[in-house]
Amino acid sequence: KNQVEQSPQSLIILEGKNCTLQCNYTVSPFSNLRWYKQDTGRGPVSLTIMTFSENTKSNGRYTATLDADTKQSSLHITASQLSDSASYICVVSSYGNNRLAFGKGNQVVVIP
Amino acid sequence: ETGVTQTPRHLVMGMTNKKSLKCEQHLGHNAMYWYKQSAKKPLELMFVYSLEERVENNSVPSRFSPECPNSSHLFLHLHTLQPEDSALYLCASSQERAFSGNTIYFGEGSWLTVV
Repeated sequence: KNQVEQSPQSLIILEGKNCTLQCNYTVSPFSNLRWYKQDTGRGPVSLTIMTFSENTKSNGRYTATLDADTKQSSLHITASQLSDSASYICVVSSYGNNRLAFGKGNQVVVIP
Repeated sequence: ETGVTQTPRHLVMGMTNKKSLKCEQHLGHNAMYWYKQSAKKPLELMFVYSLEERVENNSVPSRFSPECPNSSHLFLHLHTLQPEDSALYLCASSQERAFSGNTIYFGEGSWLTVV
């Protein structure tokens, strides 16, 4: 079982609407959690990185939240634009084995 | 532009061919990575080089052979690949190992198709 589970697997939203992507993880001990955006055919680009003590972090219209107690994170996209169409990947780091655990990604499609 | 450049962007090769993927980073980082990305699967770490020394090899088949001549360049040598090796191969770099909180910067990837 993957240590990082993302939902929904795919999502279609209307331009201008908001959406929220979920990431649940079992990685322990927890070090930090990152969200990446990957456009089709491109490499992932970092959006946010949060440590244990951070509950929320914003990057423009992207806002990530973290609940380290329940091991959940969300990425909220506000006023979506066509350029937000991409895969959003949740990545969790552990102090224990010095590795990064990747989710499969949330595929978001924004339509006009 | 992320500062990590991969070539070629697309590669089609036969199962008996030998080819190489190249990666170069202009960020002054001292750790470089090769990841494999297959459809509907999480990214898989293949190799990590930190301070030019390979520190991980996650049971990757020997038909993949990495080379890191210096902290700015990374190669992935390919030989006698199988069709299931077709995937997007991503190079990345970071300052120190990424697990400690340093951001990983990815290249644009090399699309590999094995026929």
